Amino acid sequence: SVLAQPPSASAAPGQTVTISCSGVTSNIGYNDVNWYQQLPGQAPKLLVYGRNQRPSGVPGRFSASKSGTSASLAISGLQSDDEADYYCSSWDDTLNGPVFGTGTKVSVL
Amino acid sequence: QAQLVQSGPEVKKPGASVKMSCRASGYTFGSFGVSWVRQAPGEGLEWVAWISPYEDNRNYPQTTQGRVIVTADTSTNTVYLEVGSLTSDDTAVYYCARERAASAYDVWGQGTLVTVSS
Repeated sequence: SVLAQPPSASAAPGQTVTISCSGVTSNIGYNDVNWYQQLPGQAPKLLVYGRNQRPSGVPGRFSASKSGTSASLAISGLQSDDEADYYCSSWDDTLNGPVFGTGTKVSVL
Repeated sequence: QAQLVQSGPEVKKPGASVKMSCRASGYTFGSFGVSWVRQAPGEGLEWVAWISPYEDNRNYPQTTQGRVIVTADTSTNTVYLEVGSLTSDDTAVYYCARERAASAYDVWGQGTLVTVSS
């Protein structure tokens, strides 16, 4: 994986957990970052794409930001259903293809 | 609603090839590119191929180029992925996914488990 994420993150129910995603100029620096949620045994689900846009049905508790070559996803009002693996992705101009993050496992304490 | 339905699990021996399918429905097939993304057991996501079905444009990462072929049949709205010279490193769940924007995949298939074992 080209984009670096912390392996785990956790917070209590109702709190906010933030996940980081670190890349370089050729990917996050020049391109949009997208975020996915993957529940155990399921396919990934697109949570946020482009400039903090959410597909229909994704609650506003999920919000993303980007600065330079790093991005982050914040999950507010944390719920037990949010326990999952989260991945970032971006286009890489040098590799001429999409790249994914290493993934972060979110736990609700 | 838009949906991608993939073919069933496969078990192959090292050195063999595997071909899997991904049938689209509920949207205009030619309006979106389709990527294949794989996930080895306990690992992260890895992009393996992309196709624009009507234009027949294709893209592969250097890691799979030459061993992977992606094709599309516009008469049946189906995308195929063939992986050759299989090794145990190819054991993974293979997902097809509709590309909403660059690296943003908004519709995913249920996944096809490919197991490579002697």
